[in-house]
Amino acid sequence: NAGVTQTPKFQVLKTGQSMTLQCAQDMNHEYMSWYRQDPGMGLRLIHYSVGAGITDQGEVPNGYNVSRSTTEDFPLRLLSAAPSQTSVYFCASSFGQGARTYEQYFGPGTRLTVT
Amino acid sequence: SQQGEEDPQALSIQEGENATMNCSYKTSINNLQWYRQNSGRGLVHLILIRSNEREKHSGRLRVTLDTSKKSSSLLITASRAADTASYFCATALYGNNRLAFGKGNQVVVIP
Repeated sequence: NAGVTQTPKFQVLKTGQSMTLQCAQDMNHEYMSWYRQDPGMGLRLIHYSVGAGITDQGEVPNGYNVSRSTTEDFPLRLLSAAPSQTSVYFCASSFGQGARTYEQYFGPGTRLTVT
Repeated sequence: SQQGEEDPQALSIQEGENATMNCSYKTSINNLQWYRQNSGRGLVHLILIRSNEREKHSGRLRVTLDTSKKSSSLLITASRAADTASYFCATALYGNNRLAFGKGNQVVVIP
C-alpha cells in the first residue's frame, strides 16, 4: 500500500493564482481531512469528508474548496492564493465508523509559498 | 480552537533518559491521541487512549489519561537519538472523526 500520497511536494504561487493540491489514499478509508501547519500553531483543520459526496468545513475553511467524488481522492483547491496561505498542507485519512474515532494516517505534506 | 495544549513545549535530554510531555484539554473527549513528526515529514500515529482508559503502553511509550483533570501525559523511556522529533497530542470529540491538535512539543535527544 502507498498509504496517503500528496502532490506536489513543493509549490510557489503568485498572489491571486489558483491551484489544486492532490491527495489520494489506497486504504479504503471513509474519513479524509486537510490540515495546514504553521510555525507555533500546530495543525488546524481546513476541511474534512466522512465519505464520497460528503464534505464539511473545519476550523479555517476560508479561501479553500474541497470535493470528494471518490473514496480515494480528496483534492484541496485554493481559489485565489494569498500570502496568508503560505503554509505546509497535510492530508490525512482514517477508518471511520459512526461515532468512533480512529488513528489518522498522514501524507508527506505540500509546502506552499505564496508571493 | 486548539483543544490540546502541550507542556513543556521544548525539551532537551541525554540519550537514555526519560522524556515526559503533558497535554491538557478543555472539553469532554472520546479519545486522545499522540503523534510524532520528524523534521519536514508528515505526522505518525503513536498511541490512542480512550476516555474510559487510564493508562496505555506501547513499547517504550506510556500514556496516561486523567479525565477529571482533563490532562494526559506521554512518557518515552530510555530515549534514543531517533526519538528527536515534535510530539503532538490530539483530542477527538464524541460523534465525529475530527481531531483537534495541540501546538506540539519539540524533543531533542542528545547522543
